[in-house]
Amino acid sequence: AQTVTQSQPEMSVQEAETVTLSCTYDTSENNYYLFWYKQPPSRQMILVIRQEAYKQQNATENRFSVNFQKAAKSFSLKISDSQLGDTAMYFCAFMKHPGNQFYFGTGTSLTVIP
Amino acid sequence: KAGVTQTPRYLIKTRGQQVTLSCSPISGHRSVSWYQQTPGQGLQFLFEYFSETQRNKGNFPGRFSGRQFSNSRSEMNVSTLELGDSALYLCATGLAVNTGELFFGEGSRLTVL
Repeated sequence: AQTVTQSQPEMSVQEAETVTLSCTYDTSENNYYLFWYKQPPSRQMILVIRQEAYKQQNATENRFSVNFQKAAKSFSLKISDSQLGDTAMYFCAFMKHPGNQFYFGTGTSLTVIP
Repeated sequence: KAGVTQTPRYLIKTRGQQVTLSCSPISGHRSVSWYQQTPGQGLQFLFEYFSETQRNKGNFPGRFSGRQFSNSRSEMNVSTLELGDSALYLCATGLAVNTGELFFGEGSRLTVL
């Protein structure tokens, strides 16, 4: 079975600063995807960034980047130049490939302080 | 194009009752998954349907069931409700073989009294 662990229930960051959210996972699979999803208050969850396990290069999407350490089974999210709109719950997720079952962590609530 | 639509958005039930939640996927999406979201537990996978067949099932009791119709719309049912079933139920849709994004609805918030 797969497990995803987010050890930081809550975090805060000053606007324009950089913050890193941690995620570790456990799996015996070799082919999988990792994701960070964002759930703003009272709004639907959306994809922030995706990483294929076979790719060594870390994924980046504008101000969002990941540090993927496959051997350590670590997948952290870095948000640069934090904005007020980044305030949300962030979930780390794992999906075996091929497959359609996602395993989510318990989430990190991020607050961006003006 | 229209997003994932879940109905109802909010509902209140009492213990012992049953409830049916509905999910209409994005056009062209044939995979529909259901998740239960509770504080502290995150999202727990309930089941996934594709072409009217359940492909995957999570570790939930038999009181939780679902189905998918020929138009890919899906329903989930919870019978004999318990207080612990109070949660946000999220529907997520995607392609047949998912290599990336799940598209989520806004959820149905169920309160069991």
